[in-house]
Amino acid sequence: EDQVTQSPEALRLQEGESSSLNCSYTVSGLRGLFWYRQDPGKGPEFLFTLYSAGEEKEKERLKATLTKKESFLHITAPKPEDSATYLCAVQFYSGGYQKVTFGTGTKLQVIP
Amino acid sequence: GAVVSQHPSRVICKSGTSVKIECRSLDFQATTMFWYRQFPKQSLMLMATSNEGSKATYEQGVEKDKFLINHASLTLSTLTVTSAHPEDSSFYICSAALGQAIQETQYFGPGTRLLVL
Repeated sequence: EDQVTQSPEALRLQEGESSSLNCSYTVSGLRGLFWYRQDPGKGPEFLFTLYSAGEEKEKERLKATLTKKESFLHITAPKPEDSATYLCAVQFYSGGYQKVTFGTGTKLQVIP
Repeated sequence: GAVVSQHPSRVICKSGTSVKIECRSLDFQATTMFWYRQFPKQSLMLMATSNEGSKATYEQGVEKDKFLINHASLTLSTLTVTSAHPEDSSFYICSAALGQAIQETQYFGPGTRLLVL
């Protein structure tokens, strides 16, 4: 079964305490993996797209990596403004159709 | 940067009425727009993909006659929830992309919260 699982569901960090969020997937025919940030009551904000295993992308304090089974979003020295829900989504082929599936997200809280 | 707006941001309606939600790309022309719905504490679920001037492609399980999508121009797509019922209450989010493939960078709107009484 095609699945996208994010862990942990929630993460509480002290300001400056680096950590990683995980997105694991069990799909075949991966076309792309996306990371988004979503603030409460708002639409997601695009962060990264990763297309193949070994690929890495960085933006400010965030770095996304991809393997054949999972992706990590590393947050270095987070600040309170990094508090949000981080979503990953996987685009893949299934039964001849192109599909996209989102994970349920990791809610990150960064405490000053 | 690319900005996408949605209108209205919040709507409350009676069961059986229809509700139209607009999605506009403000500073770019979007070849493709996507419609999602999100339930509390759940994932975004892709409902349909629409390309300007052509019929929308609906995901499996999404009723085409229930959720009417019109992509009249490169900057406007509308989602009409016909004969809305309480179970249609949700957060509806659109996104817009320059290209036609879903792996293109998507810029999301702020969402529309629909409550059907």
